[in-house]
Amino acid sequence: GAVVSQHPSWVICKSGTSVKIECRSLDFQATTMFWYRQFPKQSLMLMATSNEGSKATYEQGVEKDKFLINHASLTLSTLTVTSAHPEDSSFYICSAGGKRGPSYEQYFGPGTRLTVT
Amino acid sequence: AQKITQTQPGMFVQEKEAVTLDCTYDTSDPSYGLFWYKQPSSGEMIFLIYQGSYDQQNATEGRYSLNFQKARKSANLVISASQLGDSAMYFCASKGASGGSYIPTFGRGTSLIVHP
Repeated sequence: GAVVSQHPSWVICKSGTSVKIECRSLDFQATTMFWYRQFPKQSLMLMATSNEGSKATYEQGVEKDKFLINHASLTLSTLTVTSAHPEDSSFYICSAGGKRGPSYEQYFGPGTRLTVT
Repeated sequence: AQKITQTQPGMFVQEKEAVTLDCTYDTSDPSYGLFWYKQPSSGEMIFLIYQGSYDQQNATEGRYSLNFQKARKSANLVISASQLGDSAMYFCASKGASGGSYIPTFGRGTSLIVHP
């Protein structure tokens, strides 16, 4: 099956710094990327949806200036957490969606655990 | 709009027994899909099974089967012959269509613990 990778898998950063998380689809063209965050023992919360070459659509309550999403190509999307604070510590998961043959499919990355100190 | 309800925050099952994880959904889309994912402690979301709203038969994938009751809007996951490695969080999700893209909605999850 398709593989979606995320880098880094785990990052610790100091408060006030920015962190970039990469999401790559390795063997299919992801026309849509979804970014989620997940707090411990909670469900996935959709942060934003981005289509290749377009600006991301953010969910209500998600600050677009804080969580910068770029989807410049069909295989790469990035999420940059700007001026990170301890409350941004979370598990961030990307998901890539696109056509694979006749059907639309969606695959999840392994997630990135962010800890802001 | 989609809404997924998982009413069981936690379930315990003995190894080799079957277990049913509940999921009900609410959607205004005439066509939709229902998914189950497993999330072990490593965090990765592992796709288990998919049921399309127009599929006539209940989906099955190995030890996983989906008990789809459209009139009741339920899509329960049945795991047969539980194994210790099945201990994980399980999420039910639905997918409709929004602006041409498919945006899945997730339930709150059920924590399954399989004990020997």
